[in-house]
Amino acid sequence: AQTVTQSQPEMSVQEAETVTLSCTYDTSENNYYLFWYKQPPSRQMILVIRQEAYKQQNATENRFSVNFQKAAKSFSLKISDSQLGDTAMYFCAFMKHLSVTSGGSNYKLTFGKGTLLTVNP
Amino acid sequence: DTAVSQTPKYLVTQMGNDKSIKCEQNLGHDTMYWYKQDSKKFLKIMFSYNNKELIINETVPNRFSPKSPDKAHLNLHINSLELGDSAVYFCASSQGGSGDTEAFFGQGTRLTVV
Repeated sequence: AQTVTQSQPEMSVQEAETVTLSCTYDTSENNYYLFWYKQPPSRQMILVIRQEAYKQQNATENRFSVNFQKAAKSFSLKISDSQLGDTAMYFCAFMKHLSVTSGGSNYKLTFGKGTLLTVNP
Repeated sequence: DTAVSQTPKYLVTQMGNDKSIKCEQNLGHDTMYWYKQDSKKFLKIMFSYNNKELIINETVPNRFSPKSPDKAHLNLHINSLELGDSAVYFCASSQGGSGDTEAFFGQGTRLTVV
């Protein structure tokens, strides 16, 4: 079974500083997708960044970047120049191909337990 | 346009009642999911459907019954509600296997059983 582990239940950072959130996962698959989702107090789940396992280059989205270490099964999120609006729960997620049925390919998305990030002014 | 919409946003009901949460996606995705987020914010998958076919059923009590009339809709019906069913329920959809794969989520339904 796939598991996703986020070892930091809570973190805090000063505005404008850099913070890194950790995520490790366990899988025997070679092809899969990894994600970081953000959940602010509004409760909406928002995709922050995506990484395909077959791509060696680390994904980057503006102030957000990942450090993807496939052999170590590690997928950390770095937030640069932290802003107050970055305060949220951050979830690491793993998506793998499950099966093929009459409807097509099926995927399963599994989440870590989340890290509550607080950005302080 | 809302990509994944679920209704209602809030639901307060008494123990023993039966209730439904509706979900619709206009993204043309083949796969839809239901997740339960408990008080500790843990997101646990309950069900997934692919083009109206049940794919994942994660040891959810029989009181929970998903129904997919077509691939754009996945509704969740809950019988004989219990206090422990209180949580936020999220519907999501995805189209896996492409370079832009991701799951899109509805805004969640906060269910409170009293």
